[in-house]
Amino acid sequence: QSALTQPASVSGSPGQSVTISCAGTSSDVGAYNFVSWYRQHPGKAPKLMIYDVSNRPSGVSNRFSGSKSGNTASLTISGLQAEDEADYYCGSYTGTDSPVVFGGGTKLTVL
Amino acid sequence: EVQLLESGGGLVQPGGSLRLSCAASGFTFSSYAVGWIRQAPGKGPEWVSSISASGDTPYHADSVKGRFTISRDNSKNTLYLQMNSLRAEDTAVYYCAKTEGASPAWSYYSYWGQGTLVTVSS
Repeated sequence: QSALTQPASVSGSPGQSVTISCAGTSSDVGAYNFVSWYRQHPGKAPKLMIYDVSNRPSGVSNRFSGSKSGNTASLTISGLQAEDEADYYCGSYTGTDSPVVFGGGTKLTVL
Repeated sequence: EVQLLESGGGLVQPGGSLRLSCAASGFTFSSYAVGWIRQAPGKGPEWVSSISASGDTPYHADSVKGRFTISRDNSKNTLYLQMNSLRAEDTAVYYCAKTEGASPAWSYYSYWGQGTLVTVSS
């Protein structure tokens, strides 16, 4: 199972919105509504931000939203804040006995 | 509060073995599948292994199949990863993580530990 494809970096100014894409295939992202997104600050563990394409865990700001179209999922962060500067990873269910595949990550810089 | 605390990482020579442990607290450990996910320096996460809530169904990535074994002791609220025949490419931070279901085929991980570093080098 190949890793999902994400842009290496995105950037935005405080208050703006940014969108991070996550490209998969018809066997993973395109086949199931089971895409997740994680935020990771340097030296810290990943934190779940979105699950099942567009659901937010309790405590996650509604500035974070997820969507999917075909084989590509997206994470949108609105009202950018300095604390949003981090690495973001997507994940997808694969339907196999290696059930989860992750993306290579996107570094978000808040200008 | 969910807590996952990994231990057992370190420096090991190629071909060597290590056993990772993850002590869980703050939730009913025996009700949830848990897994190991690793992250090599500068890379994205890579799913390694997961195990059902009851412990009777383990899954392993092809890259570690036959070398790594996941197990759990629900009486001790502890997850394990026995790693044998280690290779340089196994070098990574290994995270213990919790799902929100009983199946090892769950699609996402809701809580992650802080990780333990495994370095395979001569």
